[in-house]
Amino acid sequence: DAGVIQSPRHEVTEMGQEVTLRCKPISGHNSLFWYRQTMMRGLELLIYFNNNVPIDDSGMPEDRFSAKMPNASFSTLKIQPSEPRDSAVYFCASSLRQGSETQYFGPGTRLLVL
Amino acid sequence: EDQVTQSPEALRLQEGESSSLNCSYTVSGLRGLFWYRQDPGKGPEFLFTLYSAGEEKEKERLKATLTKKESFLHITAPKPEDSATYLCAVQRSGGSNYKLTFGKGTLLTVNP
Repeated sequence: DAGVIQSPRHEVTEMGQEVTLRCKPISGHNSLFWYRQTMMRGLELLIYFNNNVPIDDSGMPEDRFSAKMPNASFSTLKIQPSEPRDSAVYFCASSLRQGSETQYFGPGTRLLVL
Repeated sequence: EDQVTQSPEALRLQEGESSSLNCSYTVSGLRGLFWYRQDPGKGPEFLFTLYSAGEEKEKERLKATLTKKESFLHITAPKPEDSATYLCAVQRSGGSNYKLTFGKGTLLTVNP
């Protein structure tokens, strides 16, 4: 079975540009998470969707960040405009349902904003 | 606020040299404590979930244990392929039971 799929795997962009990260969760999973990983702060939850509905976006750092989940098999995380401090690895994860014990992570998107 | 502290930050072992990684946590009502393994350039990979103090789980050379304040990941006779970053996370019970709070990880290097 395919795991969580993320694209692109690497993204290099210039400050001020729009960045869109994409995620396809595991089929049948109802919960989707976006995380950001940096050396300084580790893994941080940005936003959580359950049944395609955003439940908790308290981790989204600023209004420059937005996320959507138009259907059960696709989600996007958008940064507009991007800034150098947004450079990090962004992970998408999915789980079977809210409170499910296991979150399965994608391979991540490594973002570098110059 | 939930907190997870892992120690040491980095650990170098010789092949076959057993050791333990520590995860100290503070959470208001623990639903589960998770261990993940992360290889360079990859996403975290689930290893174990522990639910209550005294519980132990094993997988190959790894054994995870849990007390009311900390968890240990014991590595017995490690091999170079066990080299990775090991992440610990807690999940609280109650309304926000979807949320995992992660520690910063322990980078384990096993030399042949």
